[in-house]
Amino acid sequence: TQLLEQSPQFLSIQEGENLTVYCNSSSVFSSLQWYRQEPGEGPVLLVTVVTGGEVKKLKRLTFQFGDARKDSSLHITAAQPGDTGLYLCAGAGCSANAGKSTFGDGTTLTVKP
Amino acid sequence: EAGVTQFPSHSVIEKGQTVTLRCDPISGHDNLYWYRRVMGKEIKFLLHFVKESKQDESGMPNNRFLAERTGGTYSTLKVQPAELEDSGVYFCASSQVDSYSYEQYFGPGTRLTVT
Repeated sequence: TQLLEQSPQFLSIQEGENLTVYCNSSSVFSSLQWYRQEPGEGPVLLVTVVTGGEVKKLKRLTFQFGDARKDSSLHITAAQPGDTGLYLCAGAGCSANAGKSTFGDGTTLTVKP
Repeated sequence: EAGVTQFPSHSVIEKGQTVTLRCDPISGHDNLYWYRRVMGKEIKFLLHFVKESKQDESGMPNNRFLAERTGGTYSTLKVQPAELEDSGVYFCASSQVDSYSYEQYFGPGTRLTVT
């Protein structure tokens, strides 16, 4: 069973601060997705990283895939109240398990104005 | 383009009753997945359809759960008979069948409460 551990589980910061969320596993993933989920809604895909060492930027969000494709991080610069939400990482397995995503347990971010 | 839709949004049933959840994937997406999150736990995979065929049903908890996708369009997930531990949010997701099949698009979920 492939497990993904996210840290921290909860994060409360002031507007304008920077933060990093981590997603770690002992397993290798063919790709890793980051989602954001609002209450009462399903996860919304933010980004996919595929290549070891890959870095992707989405406005103030920077996503990195570890060189060994076992871990990832999400860095938010100058957080805003609108960034508040549940952030989930999910890894796609290799070959036969490619369609099956393994989710982390999420990081609940609160950005205070 | 319409996203993944799920029905109902919320269902409250008694233990022993039957419930059927429906998922309509994004048009043209042959991959369809069911996941669920029970209280305090992470989202867990249940099964994966490619068109009407079950590609992987390794996450189905037991034989009280039956998923179908007749015609390869919408899918249903039936729980019969429901037990208390089946309570949770059931998500459906869909994706294309190509190199981006790992990019799954989720529906809003069905919150199932078994009393």
